[in-house]
Amino acid sequence: KAGVTQTPRYLIKTRGQQVTLSCSPISGHRSVSWYQQTPGQGLQFLFEYFSETQRNKGNFPGRFSGRQFSNSRSEMNVSTLELGDSALYLCASSLGLGAANTGELFFGEGSRLTVL
Amino acid sequence: KNEVEQSPQNLTAQEGEFITINCSYSVGISALHWLQQHPGGGIVSLFMLSSGKKKHGRLIATINIQEKHSSLHITASHPRDSAVYICAVRSHSWETSGSRLTFGEGTQLTVNP
Repeated sequence: KAGVTQTPRYLIKTRGQQVTLSCSPISGHRSVSWYQQTPGQGLQFLFEYFSETQRNKGNFPGRFSGRQFSNSRSEMNVSTLELGDSALYLCASSLGLGAANTGELFFGEGSRLTVL
Repeated sequence: KNEVEQSPQNLTAQEGEFITINCSYSVGISALHWLQQHPGGGIVSLFMLSSGKKKHGRLIATINIQEKHSSLHITASHPRDSAVYICAVRSHSWETSGSRLTFGEGTQLTVNP
């Protein structure tokens, strides 16, 4: 059974550009969540998606957005990149949603974004 | 004060030692996760707890909901256990049916042979 796949694994952008990251969950998993990890702030929750709907959002500016497709694959987009957006972006998939989400989380390897 | 506090931040042990990492939280939760992160970034979920105790091999995780506290124990530690261990609490939004994870800062564990 394939794990969570994130693409691209590494990318370099310059300030002001935008970036789109992709996450393919484990087959059958319908919930996808996104996280940002930086040395200064640690791991922080970005979004949670289920059935193509954003169910929860973390405290990030509107430059951070995402979506989920009917096959549960998810993308996140960061527009007008800033130096502080340099981070490891992780996604995780699980079976269910919210309080019903009693399943384990499975993380991808992450996309490492460097903003110059 | 962070909603999720872990201790210690750094821990060095000799192979074979018994290790305990603690996690305290201040918010209502539906579950607590213990995660392991190796250099390079990949994160593995070790346990998900909503009550009591779970055991997997040499790893044991406990949670006390009343005291808002969880511990991760590693028995007979081995150098391959060297990693960052992260506590994360899941809180549920009844309005959206969604949930979110709030993470502790992590514990860097180094086990020397």
